[in-house]
Amino acid sequence: EAGVVQSPRYKIIEKKQPVAFWCNPISGHNTLYWYLQNLGQGPELLIRYENEEAVDDSQLPKDRFSAERLKGVDSTLKIQPAELGDSAVYLCASSLDSEREADTQYFGPGTRLTVL
Amino acid sequence: DAKTTQPPSMDCAEGRAANLPCNHSTISGNEYVYWYRQIHSQGPQYIIHGLKNNETNEMASLIITEDRKSSTLILPHATLRDTAVYYCIVSFRDNYGQNFVFGPGTRLSVLP
Repeated sequence: EAGVVQSPRYKIIEKKQPVAFWCNPISGHNTLYWYLQNLGQGPELLIRYENEEAVDDSQLPKDRFSAERLKGVDSTLKIQPAELGDSAVYLCASSLDSEREADTQYFGPGTRLTVL
Repeated sequence: DAKTTQPPSMDCAEGRAANLPCNHSTISGNEYVYWYRQIHSQGPQYIIHGLKNNETNEMASLIITEDRKSSTLILPHATLRDTAVYYCIVSFRDNYGQNFVFGPGTRLSVLP
């Protein structure tokens, strides 16, 4: 069975340009997460979806970041406009159902963004 | 904030057991301990999780103390490919379900 798929793996853009990241979760997983990971640090949650509903977006910088999960399957995270400080790895994860007592998250390989 | 404390780095000789400690003194009764690892340029990989009993799978063993305030991840025969950052996470429940907070983890170097 395929794991979490993300694309692109790498992206280099100039500041003020828009960028989008795509994630396809494991089939049947209701919960989808976007994380941001800066160099040398652990991942930090940006947004969490239960099916198509964004249930926790408190850490998403809404002035420039947006996300969607149409039809409750794959998801897109967008940054517009990108800033130098947005250079990081963007990770997508999915889990079966976060209301379960123990719900393991499975991560994709991430997209490494470099803003010049 | 992460609810766990881990040493920033550890070394282990190839072929020996790697024992990675984690303190989680404020863990609550229904919170699970999860371990993930992250090899350079990859996403975090799930290893194992447990509530209060010791757990073992094909990758590792998880030993949780009786008071649940600390745990140890054991890689029984470390190889060079086990060099990675290891994250110990205590899950918690918010209004929407289970959630994680990652700390900086332990960087394990397996030496030949």
